[in-house]
Amino acid sequence: DGGITQSPKYLFRKEGQNVTLSCEQNLNHDAMYWYRQDPGQGLRLIYYSQIVNDFQKGDIAEGYSVSREKKESFPLTVTSAQKNPTAFYLCASSSIVGSSLEAFFGQGTRLTVV
Amino acid sequence: RKEVEQDPGPFNVPEGATVAFNCTYSNSASQSFFWYRQDCRKEPKLLMSVYSSGNEDGRFTAQLNRASQYISLLIRDSKLSDSATYLCVVNRLGGYNKLIFGAGTRLAVHP
Repeated sequence: DGGITQSPKYLFRKEGQNVTLSCEQNLNHDAMYWYRQDPGQGLRLIYYSQIVNDFQKGDIAEGYSVSREKKESFPLTVTSAQKNPTAFYLCASSSIVGSSLEAFFGQGTRLTVV
Repeated sequence: RKEVEQDPGPFNVPEGATVAFNCTYSNSASQSFFWYRQDCRKEPKLLMSVYSSGNEDGRFTAQLNRASQYISLLIRDSKLSDSATYLCVVNRLGGYNKLIFGAGTRLAVHP
């Protein structure tokens, strides 16, 4: 089945540690996105990518880094520079051509700093 | 000003009611529009795309007004299971593809 997979579902991080969230899709989508959602809030864009080896900062990129070495994969690293990383992280992908441009989401990763 | 704005609600309605959500977007380069539904602690899921001619899917009707940069979602005969947050989403093409989400409108349907 085609889809988008995030792992892990839950992640606990000690202060000062970097952690990497995985996002893989087999939908052959060119565009991939990372969003952050805080309780009771909307989705805020962290990074997005439209092509391998290229990505753009979103609205809240500080303290995060990404890579896009393969079309299928768009991992997000939450660095120690992110001062308030506890949140729900959502990865999405979409096509960039044709009539079906909607985004498909992974199930999300809940990151908690302990 | 946010690029996509929605009334945050919450909308508290009885079963069977008709409820309408509105959304405005500021960038006229926006080309594709969607409504997503998000249940508590879950990922958003596509409810319906929004086309210029308007479209309907069962109890749900979506409308787009490009001149006013306005999108709407109408839910008729509300069910308890419709309780969720509804997200307005705009896909801005041209140069670099970018999906912009509104903050969402919360709906609570009660018996």
